[in-house]
Amino acid sequence: DAGITQSPRHKVTETGTPVTLRCHQTENHRYMYWYRQDPGHGLRLIHYSYGVKDTDKGEVSDGYSVSRSKTEDFLLTLESATSSQTSVYFCAISGSWNTEAFFGQGTRLTVV
Amino acid sequence: GQQLNQSPQSMFIQEGEDVSMNCTSSSIFNTWLWYKQDPGEGPVLLIALYKAGELTSNGRLTAQFGITRKDSFLNISASIPSDVGIYFCAGQLGSWGKLQFGAGTQVVVTP
Repeated sequence: DAGITQSPRHKVTETGTPVTLRCHQTENHRYMYWYRQDPGHGLRLIHYSYGVKDTDKGEVSDGYSVSRSKTEDFLLTLESATSSQTSVYFCAISGSWNTEAFFGQGTRLTVV
Repeated sequence: GQQLNQSPQSMFIQEGEDVSMNCTSSSIFNTWLWYKQDPGEGPVLLIALYKAGELTSNGRLTAQFGITRKDSFLNISASIPSDVGIYFCAGQLGSWGKLQFGAGTQVVVTP
């Protein structure tokens, strides 16, 4: 692994509750990304960050927010979880805009 | 959003056979990447392609960046049991390293 830790690795939560997933990196990489993976869809970009406090939306950002107050941490928040947000969430990092992205091990989130 | 069409969806092959898969897009990408995902793990980068027409090898893996910049293929030669997994293509959009992924090709290798 490229120094990426996702927490928690598994979580079950109830519909309507807030949930925060954490991605921590030790590589001092500038770029960080959150993807979700669902059967038949591959991975889809939710949000990404290109520096501390610099974030932008990806392809499937509705219902999600992010924050990056430190280089090493990128948080993904579901303000009010819905069953459609049941998925496996992956964090990725890259050193620059045109270099390879390395992925964490994922967080399996189930919303019941 | 943009669509990446990856095929085949799954492949069942015998050990020692070659494997081919490809991705096509309606849009142009600057970079094509191929990842492999094992169960319970995140995708791991296999090959990165940066120029149209580029042909790159990594051991038994060979990948090419199509001339039109709208397609790429991956070949695995002489498959072995550890080749089992899901293979994803990904196209990199203009800036900030955002990736568009294909739906994946599930590879199963039988002895």
